[in-house]
Amino acid sequence: AQTVTQSQPEMSVQEAETVTLSCTYDTSESDYYLFWYKQPPSRQMILVIRQEAYKQQNATENRFSVNFQKAAKSFSLKISDSQLGDAAMYFCAYDNNDMRFGAGTRLTVKP
Amino acid sequence: DVKVTQSSRYLVKRTGEKVFLECVQDMDHENMFWYRQDPGLGLRLIYFSYDVKMKEKGDIPEGYSVSREKKERFSLILESASTNQTSMYLCASSWTGKRLNEQFFGPGTRLTVL
Repeated sequence: AQTVTQSQPEMSVQEAETVTLSCTYDTSESDYYLFWYKQPPSRQMILVIRQEAYKQQNATENRFSVNFQKAAKSFSLKISDSQLGDAAMYFCAYDNNDMRFGAGTRLTVKP
Repeated sequence: DVKVTQSSRYLVKRTGEKVFLECVQDMDHENMFWYRQDPGLGLRLIYFSYDVKMKEKGDIPEGYSVSREKKERFSLILESASTNQTSMYLCASSWTGKRLNEQFFGPGTRLTVL
């Protein structure tokens, strides 16, 4: 079974600074999808960014970008110009018709 | 916008009670999922359904059952609640096929079993 590992249970960043959240996964498949989801305190989980494994170009969504290293099975999320509203639990997920989530990283943003 | 709603945000039940958690989505999604979320464990799949009246076990189905009588509604049933089922329960839905498989989540139900 595929596993997803987020090695940082908690991270902290100063407002306006940049932070990178790590994610690694284990798979023998070549075609799959990777996601980062954000779960703000007491609010609904929402999709932040997604990446198709066959695309070499790293996905970007405004201040959010990923560093996708397929050979290393690594999928990190970079948040630039961090804002107070970025404070949340972040979950990395792998999907190949069977979505798997990591344990999550709690991000704190300091004013 | 896709909307996934869950019947309760907070629920407190007694050991042995039968508990129903309901989820409704309004985007005609084929797939629906029930997860439980626990600190340090992330989201674990309990059951999912890819069509009306169809269901598949996830990773932790023991102590749970599900029902999908209509496409928009997916219910999670705890037949006899136990304290180890105290958790956050998340419902999600998605389209079938190559739409990047994004799942849309409900707000969650925090269940406490006393």
